[in-house]
Amino acid sequence: EAAVTQSPRNKVAVTGGKVTLSCNQTNNHNNMYWYRQDTGHGLRLIHYSYGAGSTEKGDIPDGYKASRPSQENFSLILELATPSQTSVYFCASGDQGISDYTFGSGTRLLVI
Amino acid sequence: QQKVQQSPESLTVSEGAMASLNCTFSDRSSDNFRWYRQHSGKGLEVLVSIFSDGEKEEGSFTAHLNRASLHVFLHIREPQPSDSALYLCAVRGSNYKLTFGKGTLLTVTP
Repeated sequence: EAAVTQSPRNKVAVTGGKVTLSCNQTNNHNNMYWYRQDTGHGLRLIHYSYGAGSTEKGDIPDGYKASRPSQENFSLILELATPSQTSVYFCASGDQGISDYTFGSGTRLLVI
Repeated sequence: QQKVQQSPESLTVSEGAMASLNCTFSDRSSDNFRWYRQHSGKGLEVLVSIFSDGEKEEGSFTAHLNRASLHVFLHIREPQPSDSALYLCAVRGSNYKLTFGKGTLLTVTP
């Protein structure tokens, strides 16, 4: 069954540390997306990718980097984590010609 | 940049009464509109996805799209307490980006 898998499910990080959130999809979709969800803000787009080797800035990219080493994998990197990056992060995959977007189950990140 | 706004922020209805949620968008070139449900602490569940003006029904959920007025509505027929959740409107605009509204928190009372 096609799916989007995020790891870890939960993460506690220290301020100033490096955090990497991973996402793997088996849908063979070209596009992948990273969102964060905070109370009162819905889901906001951080970075997205059109395929291996490509990354694009979303609506709130500051403080985040992304990496798409392969069709299946898309990582979100926080080089210097801050408490304001405490949030729930969702990864998704989708394609230009297809209406379906598949979302992962989310990663809860707490930066202390 | 696409703007997606939802109203009301919260809504309480009695079990069995119709619930109506509203979503407005700003990019007239948007080509896909969807509604998601999210129970507390859980992931996203797609309810209905619509491409063309008019209505699309999926079970007890009906989406109504009016591009001219930049509105997409969600009507929930005979909601149950288990339908209490955050409802999110998402719009696909240029570059195939999906932009979300802030959500409507629905509470269905017995």
